[in-house]
Amino acid sequence: KQEVTQIPAALSVPEGENLVLNCSFTDSAIYNLQWFRQDPGKGLTSLLLIQSSQREQTSGRLNASLDKSSGRSTLYIAASQPGDSATYLCAVSWGGAQKLVFGQGTRLTINP
Amino acid sequence: GAVVSQHPSRVICKSGTSVKIECRSLDFQATTMFWYRQFPKQSLMLMATSNEGSKATYEQGVEKDKFLINHASLTLSTLTVTSAHPEDSSFYICSATRLAGSLYEQYFGPGTRLTVT
Repeated sequence: KQEVTQIPAALSVPEGENLVLNCSFTDSAIYNLQWFRQDPGKGLTSLLLIQSSQREQTSGRLNASLDKSSGRSTLYIAASQPGDSATYLCAVSWGGAQKLVFGQGTRLTINP
Repeated sequence: GAVVSQHPSRVICKSGTSVKIECRSLDFQATTMFWYRQFPKQSLMLMATSNEGSKATYEQGVEKDKFLINHASLTLSTLTVTSAHPEDSSFYICSATRLAGSLYEQYFGPGTRLTVT
């Protein structure tokens, strides 16, 4: 069964720290992997999309890496800010089927 | 960028009634649309895959007679929750995929909060 797991479920850090969120997935034959942000009661905001042929993507203070052989992806957030507080979701698409399987999310709190 | 809208954003209905939720791709034709639901403090669970002009493909455990999906055009898919019950209260999110070159890109709607009283 194709599954996505995120650890930790919740994370609280002081403002300014660099942090890493983890995502693991079964079955390395992925099509792509995406990281999303979700604020309470809101929809999803796409942060980064990594195709299966890529190893990382960067956008501003965010960097996502992909290691298919180990079934892992990390989202690195540099110089965290209180506005980064949200739930971060990792989602994987397999075999070009387009449908996404989501992890449980990591609820991130950045303390001023 | 591509925009996907959902209507309504919030709906409250009485138990036993039916509710229709619309998902539209505003500036592109979607090859496929997906419907997800999200319970409080939980992740998104795929309900069904919808292709224009054909029957939706439902995930295991999702009742197709309860969650009716119609995909009438390349820019519109609707989800109808029939005979709604309080346990159907949830956040419903749709997404639409666009083929960009040889790669698929998926865009999400803002979600619809359904409360069944």
